[in-house]
Amino acid sequence: DADVTQTPRNRITKTGKRIMLECSQTKGHDRMYWYRQDPGLGLRLIYYSFDVKDINKGEISDGYSVSRQAQAKFSLSLESAIPNQTALYFCATSDSGTGGYTFGSGTRLTVV
Amino acid sequence: QKEVEQNSGPLSVPEGAIASLNCTYSDRGSQSFFWYRQYSGKSPELIMFIYSNGDKEDGRFTAQLNKASQYVSLLIRDSQPSDSATYLCAVRSGGSYIPTFGRGTSLIVHP
Repeated sequence: DADVTQTPRNRITKTGKRIMLECSQTKGHDRMYWYRQDPGLGLRLIYYSFDVKDINKGEISDGYSVSRQAQAKFSLSLESAIPNQTALYFCATSDSGTGGYTFGSGTRLTVV
Repeated sequence: QKEVEQNSGPLSVPEGAIASLNCTYSDRGSQSFFWYRQYSGKSPELIMFIYSNGDKEDGRFTAQLNKASQYVSLLIRDSQPSDSATYLCAVRSGGSYIPTFGRGTSLIVHP
């Protein structure tokens, strides 16, 4: 089984719909992150959490919200999806040592 | 504003050659440097990290830091077609837990 699991892998949704992307991990890491990746723009941080009671906005949090349900689970929600939220979304975890990331397999989201 | 710059490429090298990928960073307080490999349609995978105190070699991969000129390099010896991917550089400052990512360099190793 993957260390960091994202669901769904692919999703097509309509403008205005609410959608949740889920992430779970078996790494035992406290730190979890949500990024989106767009061609030519690289990885951009949406939200991050250093423990269950800690939630922080990243550089592009508008239009998104998150929930840290447990140490191993971190969900990203789009309250009212819009077409420019079409992107590849990655969840990642890191330990407090090296700080290197382990990424999930990604969710390809298309908003039509 | 902390910046990490990479040439988007593609960098094309023949099989068996040395591929040299560079990444420049703006923050002199940077202390940790990471290289990720991302195959097309896949997620990034950490392949190397170094601290500001030294270079590192791991198999065919070597990460080198030039603090004076503020760049970090990834050298891939004996390049293979399977090394063809996008390589992302990430840099973390001492006072931050969040790294800044570059946009990546596309590497093509042709037979």
